[in-house]
Parts: sequence; structure tokens; C-alpha cells
Amino acid sequence: DADVTQTPRNRITKTGKRIMLECSQTKGHDRMYWYRQDPGLGLRLIYYSFDVKDINKGEISDGYSVSRQAQAKFSLSLESAIPNQTALYFCATSDRGHEQYFGPGTRLTVT
Amino acid sequence: GENVEQHPSTLSVQEGDSAVIKCTYSDSASNYFPWYKQELGKRPQLIIDIRSNVGEKKDQRIAVTLNKTAKHFSLHITETQPEDSAVYFCAETDSWGKLQFGAGTQVVVTP
Repeated sequence: DADVTQTPRNRITKTGKRIMLECSQTKGHDRMYWYRQDPGLGLRLIYYSFDVKDINKGEISDGYSVSRQAQAKFSLSLESAIPNQTALYFCATSDRGHEQYFGPGTRLTVT
Repeated sequence: GENVEQHPSTLSVQEGDSAVIKCTYSDSASNYFPWYKQELGKRPQLIIDIRSNVGEKKDQRIAVTLNKTAKHFSLHITETQPEDSAVYFCAETDSWGKLQFGAGTQVVVTP
């Protein structure tokens, strides 16, 4: 779904580095989400935002922060990356109808 | 997610047979139950969903059933084909639209 894009698609970084993952959408949705996916654990919610002025922690927010720069943009930052943050990260958007549309994912490796 | 249990974690079926995946949830306020399919290396995509005022919904070879009293819902795939091989996630959402995902089921359809 080209309406939700993520950059970068792949990133290798070292322990202790600060990195930012970016998400943009052209669907006009108010709600945006960040998930991480690990094998056998499904998709776990990191942060979510229901509009530009709204930011909420998900179930695994420790070590992460977010910024909602505009309706269309929602970025995820790792302040000081650690190896157990190695995962596949997905951004998603939705309107009030609940269906979520996912971006293509960012594969992050922390060495 | 800890509020949604999904079984089995892996499912191998012969082409043409049926596949059934079951999920249970704990939040009695949940009112929307989507199923996502994730092919290898791709993003999760919605394949079917059901709302709490409906007991069953069908879309071609896919059906979902919901038992709100027992707090469980199931995905049924009939006449399975090789392209049905993927990871399937159930999810439930509260009235705020925040999704809680199951851990996923790896479905393998063998010829």
C-alpha cells in the first residue's frame, strides 16, 4: 500500500546510537501507530497518536520516543539503541473505522 | 499480545483441506475483531473483520465466527491453496480503536 511509507527500509546501527524511523501517509487518517514485530510475539504496540496533539504510550514504550510532526507524519526514535531493539518495525494508520493500514516495515539491526 | 491468545502457532494443511485458527480475548468491551495476513517479507494486510453485533461473516473462501459470550473468534479458510501460506494474526480492539494482536499462526499449505 503506497499510501503509507517508511524510511529507511533497512538500517544497521551500533549500540548507543540515536536513530529515527520515519513514517508518512497520504490516506488522510488522523490515527497513526508504531509497532514492533519479533518472531513468535506478534505485533506489539510501541506508541500511538489519535491526532496531531495526542501521543500515547503502548505496551512497550520504554527506550522509544515519538514525534507527530503533522497529520501525515509520525516518527519513532530510539534514544540509545540496544541489541534487543533489533526487530521489524511497522507504522500503521487508521481512521475511526478501525481498519489499520500498515507501511512496508523497517528492518532494524543493532550491533 | 497478552490479552489475545491465538492457536495454533503453526498449522500445516494439505491443499484443498480447511484451516481453522482460533483466538480468545479477555476485554468484554472489545467490539471489533480483524484478521490480518502477512506473507513472507510483506506487511500485514486486513483480510476480513467482524464487529460485535454480528456472529459470522464470509468472503469467498474465508469466514470468521464470533462468540461474544465465550469471548472467542475463529478464522476458517476452506479449499486451501498454496497462496494461502502466510502468517495470520487475529486482533481485538476496544472502543478507542487500539488493536491488540495475537502472536500469529504460521499456515503452510502443502501440495
